[in-house]
Amino acid sequence: DVQMTQSPSSVSASVGDRVTITCRASHDIGYWLAWYQQKPGKAPKLLIYAASTLQDGVPSRFSGSGSGADFTLTISSLQSEDFATYYCLQANALPLTFGQGTKLEIK
Amino acid sequence: EVHLVESGGGFVQPGGSLRLSCAASGFTFNNYAMSWVRQAPGKGLEWVSLIRDRGDSTYYGDSVKGRFTISRDNSKNILYLQMNNLRADDTAVYYCTKVCYDSRGYRAGFDYWGQGALVTVSS
Repeated sequence: DVQMTQSPSSVSASVGDRVTITCRASHDIGYWLAWYQQKPGKAPKLLIYAASTLQDGVPSRFSGSGSGADFTLTISSLQSEDFATYYCLQANALPLTFGQGTKLEIK
Repeated sequence: EVHLVESGGGFVQPGGSLRLSCAASGFTFNNYAMSWVRQAPGKGLEWVSLIRDRGDSTYYGDSVKGRFTISRDNSKNILYLQMNNLRADDTAVYYCTKVCYDSRGYRAGFDYWGQGALVTVSS
């Protein structure tokens, strides 16, 4: 199984900050990496798939990069609605596996 | 507009069974693989099972293999998850998800999620 390790597990930031979250796969997963945002009590929302493709309707301040085993989600200028938990998902091989999540909190 | 609506969640004793349903609309259901993802209270996301578009291939996570069965009725646009021999650690919100594909047609993740169905396993 492909293990996904996200870091940090939590981060505090302010509106306007630039934030980076990383995800490392235990095996080469090509570019089959997706990022999700989840707010309390809500279903996850797809932000980025295929490592860097922005899902329709997602603001351009979100961006993704990486390939192989190392991936990054960047929020260029935090907005108040971005405070949430973020997960990565490897879609390369079954079983599909998620990272453990990164909680983005207001400083 | 895509809609995924789960039903069938509830309270069940250990060893019991439950069947979840997911009614899909707003897309051509039989063109897409579908999947179930769960989230235990206060925990992260866990992939549970996936079924291909025609229903001819199914896949399971190790924690549910042999106990859960995924199926679909393409004539009714419904996805199912039959859960047998339930355990306390199956307690979670279960999400029905639609698989999305990249530009070359490879599986790329889940682009639509239902609102979730809570399953509580307890004596």
